[in-house]
Amino acid sequence: DTGVSQDPRHKITKRGQNVTFRCDPISEHNRLYWYRQTLGQGPEFLTYFQNEAQLEKSRLLSDRFSAERPKGSFSTLEIQRTEQGDSAMYLCASSFDSIGETQYFGPGTRLLVL
Amino acid sequence: QKEVEQNSGPLSVPEGAIASLNCTYSDRVSQSFFWYRQYSGKSPELIMSIYSNGDKEDGRFTAQLNKASQYVSLLIRDSQPSDSATYLCAVHQKVTFGTGTKLQVIP
Repeated sequence: DTGVSQDPRHKITKRGQNVTFRCDPISEHNRLYWYRQTLGQGPEFLTYFQNEAQLEKSRLLSDRFSAERPKGSFSTLEIQRTEQGDSAMYLCASSFDSIGETQYFGPGTRLLVL
Repeated sequence: QKEVEQNSGPLSVPEGAIASLNCTYSDRVSQSFFWYRQYSGKSPELIMSIYSNGDKEDGRFTAQLNKASQYVSLLIRDSQPSDSATYLCAVHQKVTFGTGTKLQVIP
């Protein structure tokens, strides 16, 4: 296992379409995070899971966004009825729940909504 | 006030000089602090983590933490052109990132 992987790396979609992204964390990591990053900004926290439980969701996460981690391994982030404002880099990170836990980031999925 | 604040830069330093990057945070109960480096179009990669007041050194990098003053800094000694990137300060308590400081090392 060489690190966190994300698929796809790039996605272009039309406004109103649904998109789904996948994240595979480092295998021994029990925490998984989703972030969104736009140009010139730091990553913004969206949600995180500990094992299969979704423990926290940001106020940024509208009803059009849903995330799952059904078996406590990989996770999916779905955006329904995409809007142009959803265009961003979506980053996944994983960590092991410990004092001073460190998150390791995947390569990201760059979404462009036309 | 933003939870984590950084000067967006760009911060320009000549090759071989020391680059000093600063970050302040608002949540006094924060316990874990991280510096990430992010190259354009890439995802953040961890450089340093620091949890206790004082300095922590790793190669050319030194992280400094002052919880009383609520700031954390990153020093890069002998700056190289390959260090040119955006440096993100992260405070773990609420997984909050600063906006990043863009560093340019001039050969």
